[in-house]
Amino acid sequence: DAGITQSPRHKVTETGTPVTLRCHQTENHRYMYWYRQDPGHGLRLIHYSYGVKDTDKGEVSDGYSVSRSKTEDFLLTLESATSSQTSVYFCAISDGTEKETQYFGPGTRLLVL
Amino acid sequence: EDKVVQSPLSLVVHEGDTVTLNCSYEVTNFRSLLWYKQEKKAPTFLFMLTSSGIEKKSGRLSSILDKKELFSILNITATQTGDSAIYLCAVELWDNFNKFYFGSGTKLNVKP
Repeated sequence: DAGITQSPRHKVTETGTPVTLRCHQTENHRYMYWYRQDPGHGLRLIHYSYGVKDTDKGEVSDGYSVSRSKTEDFLLTLESATSSQTSVYFCAISDGTEKETQYFGPGTRLLVL
Repeated sequence: EDKVVQSPLSLVVHEGDTVTLNCSYEVTNFRSLLWYKQEKKAPTFLFMLTSSGIEKKSGRLSSILDKKELFSILNITATQTGDSAIYLCAVELWDNFNKFYFGSGTKLNVKP
């Protein structure tokens, strides 16, 4: 299994509070991604990173920000959580080469009350 | 706009049946198509397809890509209850950055 961990694995928070999810990889891969998964929507890309301090928006980026200060860590922040952000969040990595695919972390279940 | 469409959205079969899952796509800068299996956890990789007409096979699962008609199929023969899962199709793009777009998945339920 690819070396990807996410923390926390489960979190319950209240509307309006800030939340930060962490993704940590030991593969030294260039690309890191944050997705959310909701019933009927598959996996939707929130933000991605193509290097340290290099990030860009995905298809559902509103209400989320990211940071990548080290190759191994990619943080996702909900500045002021809303109930619509209740979801399962997956981090993924890829090395960007043609022969390698994308690997997923174990996921974080977030409940915003 | 790039998009990936999977069908059917859900499927119920009995053990021993053969199933075919479909994935069509409209994207620019296509690099590969990926199939994942997801049980109650993170998606796990099944196949990566880059060339048309070349079947990839792993046990009872097989997949093929048609780059002219822009679709792929995933076949599962002699289904077992352990095949029950959500099957996700994703398309990998390469346009200076490596990005992936996912379909909404097909939920397969295999009954004993």
